[in-house]
Amino acid sequence: TQLLEQSPQFLSIQEGENLTVYCNSSSVFSSLQWYRQEPGEGPVLLVTVVTGGEVKKLKRLTFQFGDARKDSSLHITAAQTGDTGLYLCASMHYGGSQGNLIFGKGTKLSVKP
Amino acid sequence: NAGVTQTPKFQVLKTGQSMTLQCAQDMNHEYMSWYRQDPGMGLRLIHYSVGAGITDQGEVPNGYNVSRSTTEDFPLRLLSAAPSQTSVYFCASYQGAGEQFFGPGTRLTVL
Repeated sequence: TQLLEQSPQFLSIQEGENLTVYCNSSSVFSSLQWYRQEPGEGPVLLVTVVTGGEVKKLKRLTFQFGDARKDSSLHITAAQTGDTGLYLCASMHYGGSQGNLIFGKGTKLSVKP
Repeated sequence: NAGVTQTPKFQVLKTGQSMTLQCAQDMNHEYMSWYRQDPGMGLRLIHYSVGAGITDQGEVPNGYNVSRSTTEDFPLRLLSAAPSQTSVYFCASYQGAGEQFFGPGTRLTVL
């Protein structure tokens, strides 16, 4: 069974700081999704990366997919209190059936004013 | 569009009781899934459906049943609740390998 390892598990920073969180696997991803979940709500998709080496930017968020398609990172520049939440990576690995989405355990980010 | 709706929002059961968690979507998505989320465990797939009449097991299916009689609805049944099933349950719908749209969750406590 493919596992997605996310690090760090917890991160507490001050507003204005930069941060990077990681998602790694020993298996190759067909594609990788990043979700953000706020307390009391369901996860919401931020981005999907599909090509090895791909970089996508969403305002202050930069997502990178590793060349070997086994790892991904999310970098946030000048964090704001509104970035607080649980960041989850998810993927269907090669050969997985539709619907069998695997999630990492998440990085819980707290941005303090 | 309401997106994905789940009822109830909160539920407390006694061990051995049964109940059904409701999930409905109005986006005409083929695929629907049920996940449970426990502290420090991320989301784990319980059951999923690739269309009306077709369901399959995910990572943690034991103790749960599903059926998919219509495209819109995907109820999750607990036949005999156990304390280990205390969790937050999320339903999601999606089309192919694209974005999964999640409901607001059902917080279940089994005493």
